Amino acid sequence: GESVGLHLPTLSVQEGDNSIINCAYSNSASDYFIWYKQESGKGPQFIIDIRSNMDKRQGQRVTVLLNKTVKHLSLQIAATQPGDSAVYFCADSSGGYQKVTFGTGTKLQVIP
Amino acid sequence: DVKVTQSSRYLVKRTGEKVFLECVQDMDHENMFWYRQDPGLGLRLIYFSYDVKMKEKGDIPEGYSVSREKKERFSLILESASTNQTSMYLCASSLGLAGGPGELFFGEGSRLTVL
Repeated sequence: GESVGLHLPTLSVQEGDNSIINCAYSNSASDYFIWYKQESGKGPQFIIDIRSNMDKRQGQRVTVLLNKTVKHLSLQIAATQPGDSAVYFCADSSGGYQKVTFGTGTKLQVIP
Repeated sequence: DVKVTQSSRYLVKRTGEKVFLECVQDMDHENMFWYRQDPGLGLRLIYFSYDVKMKEKGDIPEGYSVSREKKERFSLILESASTNQTSMYLCASSLGLAGGPGELFFGEGSRLTVL
């Protein structure tokens, strides 16, 4: 069936470096994409979203890039901090439908 | 701030017991969701509801049912708990926009162990 998945289960980065977390999706009808951050012991929290009519969207220290041609999504975190250590999930929905499908997650470890 | 409250953080039940997981949101959101989270499998959608008394199956509805009698409350029911239902259960709500679900707000989760 259709799925949203991640390339790497764990990513280790040095504090202050930039982080890039990747996500591949397979549903060509997906038109809304979201990144969530989950800290230990908590529920996921919204970071940033992007619609399929955009290629790039920027937030505070985060940028999401969407490549519809290869069905690829990435989250870039600038100047990674210890507080960025968490599991990151990409998620998608399609056609205005309310169902949201999540990927398997990437664990980001920030090395001080 | 939106608050999604799950009634129990930790539960231990026996095989065959009926289990209720309750979730309440305080922002008048249209949509409510139940996910389960297992290591390496991410979040998998069990059921969701886009209005009172309305529900739709997610990707893994087998062994579960839901109830939404009031807008703010969405309950997940395990009619006869089994050991393979040991998991972290996450409830979420969203406003529900014409172009999609919008941001999901999650509760802190209910960790269920079935013995």
